[in-house]
Amino acid sequence: GESVGLHLPTLSVQEGDNSIINCAYSNSASDYFIWYKQESGKGPQFIIDIRSNMDKRQGQRVTVLLNKTVKHLSLQIAATQPGDSAVYFCAENRYGGSDYKLSFGAGTTVTVRA
Amino acid sequence: NAGVTQTPKFQVLKTGQSMTLQCAQDMNHNSMYWYRQDPGMGLRLIYYSASEGTTDKGEVPNGYNVSRLNKREFSLRLESAAPSQTSVYFCASSEVRTAGKNIQYFGAGTRLSVL
Repeated sequence: GESVGLHLPTLSVQEGDNSIINCAYSNSASDYFIWYKQESGKGPQFIIDIRSNMDKRQGQRVTVLLNKTVKHLSLQIAATQPGDSAVYFCAENRYGGSDYKLSFGAGTTVTVRA
Repeated sequence: NAGVTQTPKFQVLKTGQSMTLQCAQDMNHNSMYWYRQDPGMGLRLIYYSASEGTTDKGEVPNGYNVSRLNKREFSLRLESAAPSQTSVYFCASSEVRTAGKNIQYFGAGTRLSVL
């Protein structure tokens, strides 16, 4: 079946290094993707989004890359800080039934080492 | 800015008890959602409301009911709680839900245990 998923459930990164979090999707008709950050005990927080007509989008210290050929999405965090420790989810905007809904991956836990 | 507010934050129920989870948003969003989050499974959609006066089932609606009370408030009710409903519940809202855009903003969650 079609799904949104992350390549690795955990990622450990040294403070100051760059982090790369990957996500694979299988629905080639999906037109929009979002990355969320969820800190312990909190709700998911919007980080950045990208439409399928784009390959790259940059925010503050974050970059999202979209490769539609291989159905792959990645989130890059520059100069990772302790505050970046969290679970990161990718979400895919799908049309199902009669409406658009977000479908979430299982998440990657990022731990920043001091 | 409050954003999306959920109450209560924590709740313990016995099997068979009922309860209502409350959600309110102050962003004047049309659409509201209820998700559950279980370990290793990400977020799964229970019900959503595209606009005031409408509700629709999501991926896992069994055992739940919802009410869109007005544009601000969207409640989730468990009529007869079961241990399988032990989870963290998140409410979310969005202004736009269409092709190419669907940013949802989440509350802090309700942690529910059913014994």
